[in-house]
Amino acid sequence: EAQVTQNPRYLITVTGKKLTVTCSQNMNHEYMSWYRQDPGLGLRQIYYSMNVEVTDKGDVPEGYKVSRKEKRNFPLILESPSPNQTSLYFCASSFVGTYGYTFGSGTRLTVV
Amino acid sequence: DQQVKQNSPSLSVQEGRISILNCDYTNSMFDYFLWYKKYPAEGPTFLISISSIKDKNEDGRFTVFLNKSAKHLSLHIVPSQPGDSAVYFCAASGGATDSWGKLQFGAGTQVVVTP
Repeated sequence: EAQVTQNPRYLITVTGKKLTVTCSQNMNHEYMSWYRQDPGLGLRQIYYSMNVEVTDKGDVPEGYKVSRKEKRNFPLILESPSPNQTSLYFCASSFVGTYGYTFGSGTRLTVV
Repeated sequence: DQQVKQNSPSLSVQEGRISILNCDYTNSMFDYFLWYKKYPAEGPTFLISISSIKDKNEDGRFTVFLNKSAKHLSLHIVPSQPGDSAVYFCAASGGATDSWGKLQFGAGTQVVVTP
């Protein structure tokens, strides 16, 4: 089944403890992206990648890192999480030039 | 500052009637617009799109209308069904050479279809 898989689905962590949210897709998509969803703000882009080793900042990249060493994987790294990063995170992928992104099911992150 | 705005956070409609969702944008360079639908505990799924060279696009029960002069688009769902109860996000792209990968989303509208 064609899908974008995010792990974990839920995560509660403490301020400052490094964490990684994984994202993997099995559709051979070149494009991958991370979004966060907050009430009243919709989906805001954090980082995106057009292909392996090619990443770029979205609208809210502060406090996040990404890497794209393989085509299928695009992990989101929070090196020192803070409470304002408490949010619902989505990974998405698509072929370059197509807008019908496939989204993962989301990761609910709480930083206390 | 949000460039895509959905000013109605919620909409309640009776089954069988029309649902009209509205979206306004501020960037006149946007040239491609989309609607995504999201159920609880799932990621958004692509619903329908429209290019700025058109003013209407239809797909079954879903029609998107674009009014470029007013910087406004709307999604019509006719007839509304209980399975349409979801959050609907408006999104837009364009305005820069690298804009393809930078979809801008609105805040979403929660639609509830009642029997």
